[in-house]
Amino acid sequence: EVQLVESGGGLVQPGGSLRLSCVVSEFPFSSHYMTWVRRAPGKGLEWVSSLSQSGESTFYADSVKGRFTISRDNSKNTLYLQMNSLRAEDTAQYFCATGHWCDYWGQGTLVTVSS
Amino acid sequence: DVVLTQSPLSLPVTLGQPASISCRSSQSLVHRDGNTYLNWFQQKPGQSPRRLFYKVSNRDSGVPDRFSGSGSGTDFTLKISRVEAEDVGVYYCMEVTHWPPITFGQGTRLEIK
Repeated sequence: EVQLVESGGGLVQPGGSLRLSCVVSEFPFSSHYMTWVRRAPGKGLEWVSSLSQSGESTFYADSVKGRFTISRDNSKNTLYLQMNSLRAEDTAQYFCATGHWCDYWGQGTLVTVSS
Repeated sequence: DVVLTQSPLSLPVTLGQPASISCRSSQSLVHRDGNTYLNWFQQKPGQSPRRLFYKVSNRDSGVPDRFSGSGSGTDFTLKISRVEAEDVGVYYCMEVTHWPPITFGQGTRLEIK
């Protein structure tokens, strides 16, 4: 059974940083794009970022471009999201998903940006 | 960028009755390869999203056959033939024909009357 497990969320002050991780099992991780999606309280799903199998090609939503960095370690089947200069509007549940079709999803990790 | 407009945004349904959700795109979702990359997702309360359909009408494993996906071009529909209590949640369409960016609809909240 495919499993994605996110971690790294928490409470951070505006302007702070967090690094999210997503460990993937029972899935050909190194052969697929990977994606981060978030859902803010009371709002819908919002695509955040995706990257290619090798990690060479990265894509970001305008709302996070220049502040977030997506990366991966194929030897560890792990996806990362480095989030800097965090704002209140970044408060959300963050999900990792396989591919850019989002076939499988993790359970999410909550990021709260507040002073 | 593509805009996906779902309707209705709130959908109260009586158990056992049908339900239908529309997703309209601001531009055609037919890719130059001939495929239409429109997916549907379900997010139940307290759970992560789950994909129901990919490429308009291809049902994912484990999705009950009371769910169906249809449409073409710019107009797409998710239908539930007979709503059950376990279907409560928020439903999203999503397109990857023109990615990046990946675009989601606003979501449709299905509730039981």
